[in-house]
Amino acid sequence: AQSVSQHNHHVILSEAASLELGCNYSYGGTVNLFWYVQYPGQHLQLLLKYFSGDPLVKGIKGFEAEFIKSKFSFNLRKPSVQWSDTAEYFCAVNAETGFQKLVFGTGTRLLVSP
Amino acid sequence: EPEVTQTPSHQVTQMGQEVILRCVPISNHLYFYWYRQILGQKVEFLVSFYNNEISEKSEIFDDQFSVERPDGSNFTLKIRSTKLEDSAMYFCAVKGDSSTDTQYFGPGTRLTVL
Repeated sequence: AQSVSQHNHHVILSEAASLELGCNYSYGGTVNLFWYVQYPGQHLQLLLKYFSGDPLVKGIKGFEAEFIKSKFSFNLRKPSVQWSDTAEYFCAVNAETGFQKLVFGTGTRLLVSP
Repeated sequence: EPEVTQTPSHQVTQMGQEVILRCVPISNHLYFYWYRQILGQKVEFLVSFYNNEISEKSEIFDDQFSVERPDGSNFTLKIRSTKLEDSAMYFCAVKGDSSTDTQYFGPGTRLTVL
């Protein structure tokens, strides 16, 4: 069965600090990888996704993530966070084939202080 | 422009009552999903729906739950006899036919069972 682990449950940063959120997954086959963001009071929005090709993917709002297959990891990074990045971040994975249900991690709540 | 909307945004019901949550895709999508998020917990897959039938369901999706797409447009989730533990945010998601298509999430329905 697929599973996703996010190691940081709560992260507090000051504006302009760099961000890295860890994500590891467990699955025996080929997967697609996603980071979703949930701003306060809003729905899940896609930040970025990896299906194949360049393991370094760039998403919206300056976020990027690197897929390291040997480590089963897909860490999210941003060089300089802003107050508006305060949100909950979810790593998710689905199988490359089939009906592709998403399996989510527990989420990381990021608070950026101005 | 949202890919999917959900109604109602908030539903309060008494334990044992039936509720119907609705998902309205904006564009043509072939895959439909329901997920839920209990307060403070991760997003969990409930069911996927393709070609007018359930394609996969989780262990959470027991006999109290059902889904249908009665008019070829709205996608509904029915809970026949709600329990306190059904209180959660329920998210609908939609996806196109390609395996690389993104799942777009609706704004969610907050269900409160008293």
